[in-house]
Amino acid sequence: DAKTTQPNSMESNEEEPVHLPCNHSTISGTDYIHWYRQLPSQGPEYVIHGLTSNVNNRMASLAIAEDRKSSTLILHRATLRDAAVYYCIPWMDSSYKLIFGSGTRLLVRP
Amino acid sequence: DAGVIQSPRHEVTEMGQEVTLRCKPISGHDYLFWYRQTMMRGLELLIYFNNNVPIDDSGMPEDRFSAKMPNASFSTLKIQPSEPRDSAVYFCASSLAGQGTQPQHFGDGTRLSIL
Repeated sequence: DAKTTQPNSMESNEEEPVHLPCNHSTISGTDYIHWYRQLPSQGPEYVIHGLTSNVNNRMASLAIAEDRKSSTLILHRATLRDAAVYYCIPWMDSSYKLIFGSGTRLLVRP
Repeated sequence: DAGVIQSPRHEVTEMGQEVTLRCKPISGHDYLFWYRQTMMRGLELLIYFNNNVPIDDSGMPEDRFSAKMPNASFSTLKIQPSEPRDSAVYFCASSLAGQGTQPQHFGDGTRLSIL
């Protein structure tokens, strides 16, 4: 399983963009990069995933480095509701296991 | 749309008692997963089912833990006898498929406290 490195915590101001980095230097060519987040007292919530190309959805954007050894989750305008722990998870297409690391705790200041 | 539904939300019981956690997956999802979250170990996969059949239970801590899925809309995780170290938040998740292209949808969890 690919190992990930994420900052323990980050802070942002409300309505400003947030860039959450993740290093996954041991990722294999068939691993998808998934991002989940966990709000307080809730279960993890899927945010976005990608393989090689940058991806956008209504929640966020995912920028994947050309060598795929790192990725960045982009929240375009942080809100207070975005305060959560964000997990970056390389996920083998042939595997059924999501392996959660320690994630990045995002604090959003009003 | 209804998401994954877990019950109870909170459970407090004494050591040695049997505990049963329940999960209703999203309709139409073929895969069901049980996770446990603790401060020390984070989120861990315990077991998962495909079409009601247990596929991988290598994460189940020991024989005191058992999980069943009698039909496509219901699963249970049972601990008998319970111990204080079983205190954790237990999450159930479901997905359309198991591979990396399909997101897993999580319930809000059951917070279990064993006294």
